Amino acid sequence: DIQMTQSPSSLSASVGDRVTITCRASQSISLYLNWYQQKPGKAPKLLISAASSLQSGVPSRFSGGGSGTEFTLTISSLQPEDFATYYCQQSYSNVLFTFGPGTKVDIK
Amino acid sequence: QVQLQESGPGLVKPSETLSLTCTVSGYSITTGYYWGWIRQYPGKGLDWIGSLSHSGSTHYNPSLKSRVSVVLDTSKNQILLNLNSVTAADTAVYFCVAGVAVADFEHWGQGILVTVSS
Repeated sequence: DIQMTQSPSSLSASVGDRVTITCRASQSISLYLNWYQQKPGKAPKLLISAASSLQSGVPSRFSGGGSGTEFTLTISSLQPEDFATYYCQQSYSNVLFTFGPGTKVDIK
Repeated sequence: QVQLQESGPGLVKPSETLSLTCTVSGYSITTGYYWGWIRQYPGKGLDWIGSLSHSGSTHYNPSLKSRVSVVLDTSKNQILLNLNSVTAADTAVYFCVAGVAVADFEHWGQGILVTVSS
């Protein structure tokens, strides 16, 4: 199985800050990496697919990068509505699709 | 716009079968997409359960494969989940999901909490 890890597990930031979350895979997954945002009591929302492809309607302050085993999600200027938990997910395996443990972004 | 709504019992006894229904609106499930289920444990971890294509090809989490089935009810535009021999470890919020690719979960239902307890 491909294991996914994320760092940090949580972070505190202020509105306007630049925030970067890292996701690592236990083996190379090329660009088969998705990012989701989840707010309390809600379902996750797909933000980015294929490592860097922004979904329709997602603000341009979100960006994704990386390839192989290391990936990043960057929020260029944190907004109040961005406080949430973020998950990465690999879509490389044709057997098992796995998620990272999540990174909680809260208000400093 | 694809909309998904889960329904089913919120409490299931150990060793019994967990059965959930996902009703799809705004899109015919026979037209396209992959349809599936993901669960989220109380500690927040996400676990893919299984998916199937509009044409019926299935993909299951290997750890659940012996206990799970996901089927389409085309007459009602619904996706059905059955998970048998449940234990407390199956307690989770269950989400219905859909996407263009088997592992890209673009659309989510609101989720339904299922507790396994006697």
